[in-house]
Amino acid sequence: ILNVEQSPQSLHVQEGDSTNFTCSFPSSNFYALHWYRWETAKSPEALFVMTLNGDEKKKGRISATLNTKEGYSYLYIKGSQPEDSATYLCAPQNAGNNRKLIWGLGTSLAVNP
Amino acid sequence: NAGVTQTPKFQVLKTGQSMTLQCAQDMNHEYMSWYRQDPGMGLRLIHYSVGAGITDQGEVPNGYNVSRSTTEDFPLRLLSAAPSQTSVYFCASSPRTITYNSPLHFGNGTRLTVT
Repeated sequence: ILNVEQSPQSLHVQEGDSTNFTCSFPSSNFYALHWYRWETAKSPEALFVMTLNGDEKKKGRISATLNTKEGYSYLYIKGSQPEDSATYLCAPQNAGNNRKLIWGLGTSLAVNP
Repeated sequence: NAGVTQTPKFQVLKTGQSMTLQCAQDMNHEYMSWYRQDPGMGLRLIHYSVGAGITDQGEVPNGYNVSRSTTEDFPLRLLSAAPSQTSVYFCASSPRTITYNSPLHFGNGTRLTVT
């Protein structure tokens, strides 16, 4: 995997807004896609690991979808709360290269009360 | 359950000094790894281990050594610190080798400054 792109780079929303981010990655040789939440002054925390095309995962107000054929994943947050403020990282795994994770730069979300 | 414990949290070194960053996990995880986080860059893998006695290089191994004598511990050694090694270092572990799609569990990080 040569390039992982996350967009937007940063996002400011009001409490109660719903929002979504994109993670784009090369579709060839796909193995798995990880999403992590990284709050300031803390460590990254796993949200989802997705493997199958069309996969959808949900954790509370946060959900994610995966399209391995076109190489993208969406992360959705419904009814954003201030505690959702964090950087959201995606990391695809390639079937080769010993299946190491390749990390995006993240989407920084700020939710204003 | 402590999870992944990293020490120290902060460290300042002078160029040429050596030190060891400690990482311990109490979850019996097979896979352990070290990453560095630098501004404007994604997490970069330094070294990793798929089990006791087995280590391998990641993307940016130069200047660092690791060992895995037990399942629990995975120390990272800086042999001769350089200003380019100023970074935030994270240890992460996973229940199975990363060849499976297990999520990573991260420590709280060590902020290292080399002057």
